Amino acid sequence: SQTIHQWPATLVQPVGSPLSLECTVEGTSNPNLYWYRQAAGRGLQLLFYSVGIGQISSEVPQNLSASRPQDRQFILSSKKLLLSDSGFYLCAWKSDGVNSPLHFGNGTRLTVT
Amino acid sequence: DAKTTQPNSMESNEEEPVHLPCNHSTISGTDYIHWYRQLPSQGPEYVIHGLTSNVNNRMASLAIAEDRKSSTLILHRATLRDAAVYYCILRDTPYNQGGKLIFGQGTELSVKP
Repeated sequence: SQTIHQWPATLVQPVGSPLSLECTVEGTSNPNLYWYRQAAGRGLQLLFYSVGIGQISSEVPQNLSASRPQDRQFILSSKKLLLSDSGFYLCAWKSDGVNSPLHFGNGTRLTVT
Repeated sequence: DAKTTQPNSMESNEEEPVHLPCNHSTISGTDYIHWYRQLPSQGPEYVIHGLTSNVNNRMASLAIAEDRKSSTLILHRATLRDAAVYYCILRDTPYNQGGKLIFGQGTELSVKP
């Protein structure tokens, strides 16, 4: 069966520090991969998505970047965190196909202090 | 992108049916309607999807209006574990290759014992 791993679960970082969140998927090949952010309250903001290695689509201009160095690995990074980067970051995957569902990881709660 | 409109919150009593509405008046002919729900401190999980016909699965039923401008997620007997934020989403593209899933604010469902 397919599983998605996302770590760390919680993270507290000072303003101006770098960030690296990693997400890996097991049990499937060539997944579509996604990074979402959920600020306080509801609503998930799509940050990046990728349909293949090295292919990244950015949805929102910001100081974050994403990379997909391997088929089932998706990394969210920042060189210098801002206070506004605090939030709940969720990685998700789906298989190719019109209506294959999104499967989410357990998320990383990031607090920038 | 076609957007959805949902009530901010709803209340239900345990073991009673719940009808969660969603308006999507600008839906295109090829947009599928997806529903996800998010339990507290977790990533969203897929519930159900449909195009034109009503759909049933073990979690819920989806009733789609004939003009497809609205839909209703039906939980036949609400339990306390159904308390969550429910998102109604339109698929961005009917084709293979990724496809963005844009989440709105959703409806927060409270279930009273």
